[in-house]
Amino acid sequence: GAGVSQSPSNKVTEKGKDVELRCDPISGHTALYWYRQSLGQGLEFLIYFQGNSAPDKSGLPSDRFSAERTGGSVSTLTIQRTQQEDSAVYLCASETRGMTEAFFGQGTRLTVV
Amino acid sequence: AQSVTQLGSHVSVSEGALVLLRCNYSSSVPPYLFWYVQYPNQGLQLLLKYTTGATLVKGINGFEAEFKKSETSFHLTKPSAHMSDAAEYFCAVSERINKFYFGSGTKLNVKP
Repeated sequence: GAGVSQSPSNKVTEKGKDVELRCDPISGHTALYWYRQSLGQGLEFLIYFQGNSAPDKSGLPSDRFSAERTGGSVSTLTIQRTQQEDSAVYLCASETRGMTEAFFGQGTRLTVV
Repeated sequence: AQSVTQLGSHVSVSEGALVLLRCNYSSSVPPYLFWYVQYPNQGLQLLLKYTTGATLVKGINGFEAEFKKSETSFHLTKPSAHMSDAAEYFCAVSERINKFYFGSGTKLNVKP
């Protein structure tokens, strides 16, 4: 596609359930980021994939959060046993190494009730 | 290590007044610097960027920013605010092939 695509755009889930958020980066982009934006907060870095290198997971807030990137393209962010504090907008971005600009998706708004 | 500091989580200006959003960074190598804008319920979009060359860069919607190495700053300005400028603005730095680091964001409110 022309841009970064995220799905679903909105997700409401019950506390304790697992959720999967998907990100389709721009074709050919080698780097992919996940960020979290909680209400009234700035961007919180979660995880960074760059090509075939080991991902930088330093931003994941707990072991309930994990992410994978299959075939160097699509990425899935999984949150297990969701908690109310997980409610936020989850943003994905991609870029090509050296391209100097990250392109963002529209985000997935996650609400845990 | 890189970091980005945006002074002021909220800035309020009157329509027609000067907009100044502050950004300071730390980087061990010459950085690439960016400003992104996020309108309500939307993703982030690039406003402008500095990579090399002229230190004063112009972006969309009349915004510009100046890279000042001596001050490690990349403040965003616009001479005359418009109501449509109300949004959240994020400063970011990257060391070329390394990942982006974003500031905490500044929400701009424009009063009529």
